[in-house]
Amino acid sequence: DAKTTQPTSMDCAEGRAANLPCNHSTISGNEYVYWYRQIHSQGPQYIIHGLKNNETNEMASLIITEDRKSSTLILPHATLRDTAVYYCIVRVGLSSGSARQLTFGSGTQLTVLP
Amino acid sequence: KAGVTQTPRYLIKTRGQQVTLSCSPISGHRSVSWYQQTPGQGLQFLFEYFSETQRNKGNFPGRFSGRQFSNSRSEMNVSTLELGDSALYLCASGVVGTGGASVPNEQFFGPGTRLTVL
Repeated sequence: DAKTTQPTSMDCAEGRAANLPCNHSTISGNEYVYWYRQIHSQGPQYIIHGLKNNETNEMASLIITEDRKSSTLILPHATLRDTAVYYCIVRVGLSSGSARQLTFGSGTQLTVLP
Repeated sequence: KAGVTQTPRYLIKTRGQQVTLSCSPISGHRSVSWYQQTPGQGLQFLFEYFSETQRNKGNFPGRFSGRQFSNSRSEMNVSTLELGDSALYLCASGVVGTGGASVPNEQFFGPGTRLTVL
């Protein structure tokens, strides 16, 4: 699986958009980009994933560059409850025989400030 | 749809004891994975089960074991507990791809079991 690089920490003002970058310059063509977050002492929460195209769901938007070497997770209107560690993970898709192991790095500690 | 449930949520044991943790996946999910999270090592993969078979194993000693039942529920066991086993143990469930089809690897985590070894 491709390695990812994320900033250690970021701050964002409440109500503003939070843009969390992730670098994955060695990503392969069949690897997805996944984002999870973990609020203190809770289990990680799946946010969104993408392969090539930009994706949006009720939680966030994922922007993947055309060369797929980096991506940005966007929380459009950050709230205090979005304060968490955000993990960017690159992983191949699964078929019946695939292992599901997710390799978590250190992630980005996002702090939303009032 | 109910989420992943883990029991117990908190557990205190002493060194040398053994412990069993339980995980019930989301209905319809056949894959269950276990992770250990500590402040020093972060989130580390323990093992994964589907169809009642261990499919993948992380770099943990044999004291850590698991199993999966026919209803996809899973248990993990740690024997001869050590102080370093104090951690948050997380369970994640997911779908299993069929045939050659490639599906994304969305995994859904439970709240975890906080194990303290004294």
